[in-house]
Amino acid sequence: GEDVEQSLFLSVREGDSSVINCTYTDSSSTYLYWYKQEPGAGLQLLTYIFSNMDMKQDQRLTVLLNKKDKHLSLRIADTQTGDSAIYFCAEREAGNMLTFGGGTRLMVKP
Amino acid sequence: KAGVTQTPRYLIKTRGQQVTLSCSPISGHRSVSWYQQTPGQGLQFLFEYFSETQRNKGNFPGRFSGRQFSNSRSEMNVSTLELGDSALYLCASRETMNTEAFFGQGTRLTVV
Repeated sequence: GEDVEQSLFLSVREGDSSVINCTYTDSSSTYLYWYKQEPGAGLQLLTYIFSNMDMKQDQRLTVLLNKKDKHLSLRIADTQTGDSAIYFCAEREAGNMLTFGGGTRLMVKP
Repeated sequence: KAGVTQTPRYLIKTRGQQVTLSCSPISGHRSVSWYQQTPGQGLQFLFEYFSETQRNKGNFPGRFSGRQFSNSRSEMNVSTLELGDSALYLCASRETMNTEAFFGQGTRLTVV
């Protein structure tokens, strides 16, 4: 199958911006997603971007897509302690199933 | 609208037993997918059902099976449980197979 890769860990101070990066390999991916998982919980859909877009902004969240480099990033502005969680990027493959990265654990220090 | 509901939330089973997990999708959603989440393998796709038919299947042994009912509720079954089946099993609901997926809280299965 195709691989989606993310860095394991990110630590930021409250109020700073966080940038979580993701690379994918399936050039036929139509949609790319960001999910958030808090301890003991399921996955919460944060935002998504269609593959023909470069950027999408939704309140504190900004998604950037570089299709040439197959690079996706999620920027969280004014990061809060409540943003501490694991963030997963996922690509929708041709068969419509989602392939997930390994997740990036975001720790926000007060 | 109510979200995706998975039952039970927690389950402890013994090796060799079988287990059935249930998922009720968001009202009006006709697609249900199942994923397994483990610390070692991460999130892996099991299968997807749409209109009571399995549309996609991941790379899991035949011990893992599922079905979908006419009301779109889905069940997955794991037979002859192994210790390695211990995981968080997540169900995702989509309006159609081309729309975004919303996940339930998961069922935490522990095999002892």
